[in-house]
Amino acid sequence: KAGVTQTPRYLIKTRGQQVTLSCSPISGHRSVSWYQQTPGQGLQFLFEYFSETQRNKGNFPGRFSGRQFSNSRSEMNVSTLELGDSALYLCASSSRGSGARTDTQYFGPGTRLTVL
Amino acid sequence: SQQGEEDPQALSIQEGENATMNCSYKTSINNLQWYRQNSGRGLVHLILIRSNEREKHSGRLRVTLDTSKKSSSLLITASRAADTASYFCATSNTGNQFYFGTGTSLTVIP
Repeated sequence: KAGVTQTPRYLIKTRGQQVTLSCSPISGHRSVSWYQQTPGQGLQFLFEYFSETQRNKGNFPGRFSGRQFSNSRSEMNVSTLELGDSALYLCASSSRGSGARTDTQYFGPGTRLTVL
Repeated sequence: SQQGEEDPQALSIQEGENATMNCSYKTSINNLQWYRQNSGRGLVHLILIRSNEREKHSGRLRVTLDTSKKSSSLLITASRAADTASYFCATSNTGNQFYFGTGTSLTVIP
């Protein structure tokens, strides 16, 4: 099976702009989670989508939003970008919630977002 | 925060030596997983240990779990230069939410 793919891989934006990142999960996986990774804060959970519904949400402001489509592909959007939003954004898919015995997450390569 | 803590934050060893890193967490868990991350890339799943298991092996990896102490350890035996990476533990609870530790940066010197 093909792995988790994320596009774009690199992105440069300026403060105040908005950005949309895309994630295609492993075929058959219905759960998609998003994480923000920064040197100072480590890996922080943003949200999880399952069958087009947000199932879990981390402690991030409303500027961070996401959605999932019927084919399980997911997008996350960050509006009114701030310098502190510069980070590696990771997407992970899993088969949990679909009767799977384990909830191992499989990660994509990430999108490196730089906000100037 | 329910985020776990890894110890040490950084570890440097010679090729062929064993590397041990520890993870402590705060809440009850369903399972604990270890991931590896090469510089600036996505995370790769290494091994999963369930809350009712105490030890698990996979190749050169050995993981232990002590739920009474809320801690886990990852042992990499006979390390190789290619093992150089950051290692994270992640816990999963009944809320199906993942919590990642702060990571241990391992450098294996050839």
